Amino acid sequence: TQLLEQSPQFLSIQEGENLTVYCNSSSVFSSLQWYRQEPGEGPVLLVTVVTGGEVKKLKRLTFQFGDARKDSSLHITAAQPGDTGLYLCAGSYNQGGKLIFGQGTELSVKP
Amino acid sequence: KAGVTQTPRYLIKTRGQQVTLSCSPISGHRSVSWYQQTPGQGLQFLFEYFSETQRNKGNFPGRFSGRQFSNSRSEMNVSTLELGDSALYLCASSVTGGSFYGYTFGSGTRLTVV
Repeated sequence: TQLLEQSPQFLSIQEGENLTVYCNSSSVFSSLQWYRQEPGEGPVLLVTVVTGGEVKKLKRLTFQFGDARKDSSLHITAAQPGDTGLYLCAGSYNQGGKLIFGQGTELSVKP
Repeated sequence: KAGVTQTPRYLIKTRGQQVTLSCSPISGHRSVSWYQQTPGQGLQFLFEYFSETQRNKGNFPGRFSGRQFSNSRSEMNVSTLELGDSALYLCASSVTGGSFYGYTFGSGTRLTVV
């Protein structure tokens, strides 16, 4: 079974704190994507990482793909209430449109 | 640039009925994938269509089917609805369906089976 384990499942922090979300698998992925989803809406793509060891930054968000392409992390610096939402990692084996999603991390940032 | 459009947004059906959901991808996108999202199982892949052909299929029963038209619009059909089919159904479009380009999701259709 192809699984992506995401942790933590829930995270409630104060504005200004830092946090890291992890996404782990025993499988090697062709690429890994991170999405953010708000209630009642579809996921929105944040980043795609392709190369083992790759690091990408998007403002206060830093994404890393593990050297072996089995895991990834998302680090948010100085979280803001606008960062609140469901963060999803999704791995691809490049099998024509099929993404394997983690269970998601529900992030709540309190002012 | 218009996004991915899914209709209807909300739907209530009775057990045993069938339902058809529609997805219009971003112009120029030829790949359309469908996902089911539930609180217990998260997002699960249903199937993907590319140039009117089903290219990949997830582990769902045959009651779930789909098709894609020549203009890349896609429909998903669920027959003989069960209570457990209640979920948010999402479609995602991509230029080619390859993982490197990312996917744009629609807002979903919330299906409730009573």
